[in-house]
Amino acid sequence: GAVVSQHPSRVICKSGTSVKIECRSLDFQATTMFWYRQFPKQSLMLMATSNEGSKATYEQGVEKDKFLINHASLTLSTLTVTSAHPEDSSFYICSATDSGGAGELFFGEGSRLTVL
Amino acid sequence: GEDVEQSLFLSVREGDSSVINCTYTDSSSTYLYWYKQEPGAGLQLLTYIFSNMDMKQDQRLTVLLNKKDKHLSLRIADTQTGDSAIYFCAESMMDSSYKLIFGSGTRLLVRP
Repeated sequence: GAVVSQHPSRVICKSGTSVKIECRSLDFQATTMFWYRQFPKQSLMLMATSNEGSKATYEQGVEKDKFLINHASLTLSTLTVTSAHPEDSSFYICSATDSGGAGELFFGEGSRLTVL
Repeated sequence: GEDVEQSLFLSVREGDSSVINCTYTDSSSTYLYWYKQEPGAGLQLLTYIFSNMDMKQDQRLTVLLNKKDKHLSLRIADTQTGDSAIYFCAESMMDSSYKLIFGSGTRLLVRP
């Protein structure tokens, strides 16, 4: 199946710094990518929908200025957590679709962010 | 609004069948999915079913969909210890560009 890769898989940063997480579709063009956040022992919460070449669509309650999403090419979307705080510590997962076939989404391996 | 619910925990003995249940509220769902998540990892798509189907079988996995009751189930035959993980059901709507709404996840524990 198609492969979606996230980097870094783990990152630790100090409060106040910004962290960028990359999501790449390795063998298909992803017109749409999605960013999820997963709290411990909880489900995935959709944060935003990222469309190539346009602004991301954020879900209600997600701060646009806090979580900057860029989808500059058909194979790359980035999530930047700005001025990170300990409460931003979480597992962030991206997914991508090629918008064809049976509507299948392909998920990245996830990135665990720990803010000290 | 959309809502997907699952029971939180299921424990079975190795070799038995596991049945994980899910209910959803949005009748416009077009696809329903089952994902598996192992500790500290991303999600692995196990199987999916289109909303006009009522059953799909894929090796040890059987998905049953009761659209009238908005009930989805995943049956794992001959459950193995490697099946221990969290299982998420999710629904998507075509008019939402494949945006998925996830259930809370069911933790499956397989006892030797």
